[in-house]
Amino acid sequence: EVQLQQSGPEVGRPGSSVKISCKASGYTFTDYVMNWVKQSPGQGLEWIGWIDPEYGSTDYAEKFKKKATLTADTSSNTAYIQLSSLTSEDTATYFCARSGLSWYFDFWGPGTMVTVSS
Amino acid sequence: DVVLTQTPPTLSATIGQSVSISCRSSQSLLHSNGNTYLNWLLQRPGQPPQLLIYLVSRLESGVPNRFSGSGSGTDFTLKISGVEAEDLGVYYCVQSTHAPFTFGSGTKLEIK
Repeated sequence: EVQLQQSGPEVGRPGSSVKISCKASGYTFTDYVMNWVKQSPGQGLEWIGWIDPEYGSTDYAEKFKKKATLTADTSSNTAYIQLSSLTSEDTATYFCARSGLSWYFDFWGPGTMVTVSS
Repeated sequence: DVVLTQTPPTLSATIGQSVSISCRSSQSLLHSNGNTYLNWLLQRPGQPPQLLIYLVSRLESGVPNRFSGSGSGTDFTLKISGVEAEDLGVYYCVQSTHAPFTFGSGTKLEIK
């Protein structure tokens, strides 16, 4: 059974960084790309970017290129997103979502809530 | 970036009623490889989104066949043939033909 297990809620101070994890199980981690999606409170969905765990290659939406850094550890089947220079605009739930060659998000993590507060 | 316009923003339906949601794209979603990467998601309250339909009309495994997708180019439709109580939530279309991938603004389905 495919599962994406995300780390717990985070509280970060303005200007600081947070790093969220997404541990994959039930499939070959390097056979799929991992996407990250942002959902601000009461709002819709925004695609942040993807990482190919096999090669470490990434692609980001322009808006998130200076905000997010995607990495992956194939030894632990875990993908990460680091959010830097936090502002109130970064308060949101962040989801990891798997996609394959046809680029649809077929499995989603439960989401990690990030709250930016001083 | 590709803009996906979903209508209506909210939908109220009785159990058993059939409903449709429209998703219109600012540019064609037909990829040069012949595929159209338009998918539909449902986000139930307090849950992550789940995949319903991929590649315009293909039903994801385990999704009831009362859900169906159609369309081409820039106009796409999700139809629910006989709404059930568990169908409440927000429906999103999402395109992955063009980078960056983009989502529609969502259609909230309420049950009367």
